[in-house]
Amino acid sequence: AQSVTQPDIHITVSEGASLELRCNYSYGATPYLFWYVQSPGQGLQLLLKYFSGDTLVQGIKGFEAEFKRSQSSFNLRKPSVHWSDAAEYFCAVGGGARGANNLFFGTGTRLTVIP
Amino acid sequence: NAGVTQTPKFQVLKTGQSMTLQCAQDMNHEYMSWYRQDPGMGLRLIHYSVGAGITDQGEVPNGYNVSRSTTEDFPLRLLSAAPSQTSVYFCASSYGTSGTSYNEQFFGPGTRLTVL
Repeated sequence: AQSVTQPDIHITVSEGASLELRCNYSYGATPYLFWYVQSPGQGLQLLLKYFSGDTLVQGIKGFEAEFKRSQSSFNLRKPSVHWSDAAEYFCAVGGGARGANNLFFGTGTRLTVIP
Repeated sequence: NAGVTQTPKFQVLKTGQSMTLQCAQDMNHEYMSWYRQDPGMGLRLIHYSVGAGITDQGEVPNGYNVSRSTTEDFPLRLLSAAPSQTSVYFCASSYGTSGTSYNEQFFGPGTRLTVL
C-alpha cells in the first residue's frame, strides 16, 4: 500500500535562505509523485509532479524536486525563499489499484518565513 | 471558467443531522473526488467518480454517500453527522484517468464542517 511521510511538521526559514522539505514514500511500483501547496484558507495548488524520466523536476514559483529511487525520496527545494512562500506543503503519491489520480497525501509541512 | 466550486464554505451541524456538501465543476472533467483534511493527518480520499453514474470508495468512506448523476456535479452526503466528521472537505476534479495515466487535479476552496 502507498504511504507518504513528511518528517518535518513545521520549518522556519529566513527570507532569502534556501529551503528543502523532505518527503519519503512507500510504493511498490514506479510512483507518481506530487508536491502541492496550500495557503491559509485556500485549496491546494500543484507545484510540480514526477512520473518518469529526468529525476530533477522543475515546478512553478521557482521550486524543484528530485526523485531518488534508492532513498524513496522526493524532496522539494527552493534556492531562495520569499515571504509569500509561507504556506503548508503536501507531498503526495498517486497510483495503485484505484488509478493514478487517487492520491495519498503526507501530513504536511508548515513553512514559516521570517524577515 | 469558475473551476471547482464548493458550497457552503462553512457549516455547523448537530450530531445526527444530515446534510449535503455540494461540488460542481465547469471544465467537463470526468474524474471527481472528495477528500477530508484533518490536523496532522493530511488529506484522505473519501469517495471518487470516474464518470457520470460511476462511483467508488476511497480510504475513509464510512458515514458518507455520493452519487454522480451529471458530469458537472458530485455531491457528498452525510446521512447522520457525527463529531468525528468535523473536518475540512475538499472536492477535486480532472480529465479522465485510465489506470496509469494522470491528469492534473484541480481543487475547490473547501468546506469547513463542524459537528457538535
